[in-house]
Amino acid sequence: DGGITQSPKYLFRKEGQNVTLSCEQNLNHDAMYWYRQDPGQGLRLIYYSQIVNDFQKGDIAEGYSVSREKKESFPLTVTSAQKNPTAFYLCASSQVMNTEAFFGQGTRLTVV
Amino acid sequence: QKEVEQDPGPLSVPEGAIVSLNCTYSNSAFQYFMWYRQYSRKGPELLMYTYSSGNKEDGRFTAQVDKSSKYISLFIRDSQPSDSATYLCAMSAGTYKYIFGTGTRLKVLA
Repeated sequence: DGGITQSPKYLFRKEGQNVTLSCEQNLNHDAMYWYRQDPGQGLRLIYYSQIVNDFQKGDIAEGYSVSREKKESFPLTVTSAQKNPTAFYLCASSQVMNTEAFFGQGTRLTVV
Repeated sequence: QKEVEQDPGPLSVPEGAIVSLNCTYSNSAFQYFMWYRQYSRKGPELLMYTYSSGNKEDGRFTAQVDKSSKYISLFIRDSQPSDSATYLCAMSAGTYKYIFGTGTRLKVLA
């Protein structure tokens, strides 16, 4: 079945550590996105990528980094510079811009 | 003013009722509109996608777009307890960016 796979489902990070969230899609979509979801707030865009080896900052990119070495993969690293990393992280993809976006099941990151 | 406004609810209805969920927006450049359903601790699931004014129907769901009023709606007919979730509207102005509402929490009571 085609879809977007995020792993792990739950992740715990100690203060000062970097952690990487995985996102893989087999929909053959060109565009991929990372969003952060906090209670009472809409989804906020962290980074997006339209094609392989290219990505752009979204609205809240500080403290995060990404790579897009393969069309199907778009990992997100939450660095120690991110001051408030505890959140629900969602990866999405779309065929191209403006078409409907599909989401993975999310990764819940907690700082301990 | 937020670009997209959505009542957070919760909205409680009896089983079998018709549910109306709404979003208003301020940016007249928005052309593409989506509705998602999100269960607790899960990713959003796409329900409807439209890119023009008017109605679009899919099973028990109808999406309505009124660009002149900057208003979109999602109607759910014959609501079921399994429809209890948070519903997110999203829209795009033809760029990479999708703007999401904060979501409306729906409870369908058996």
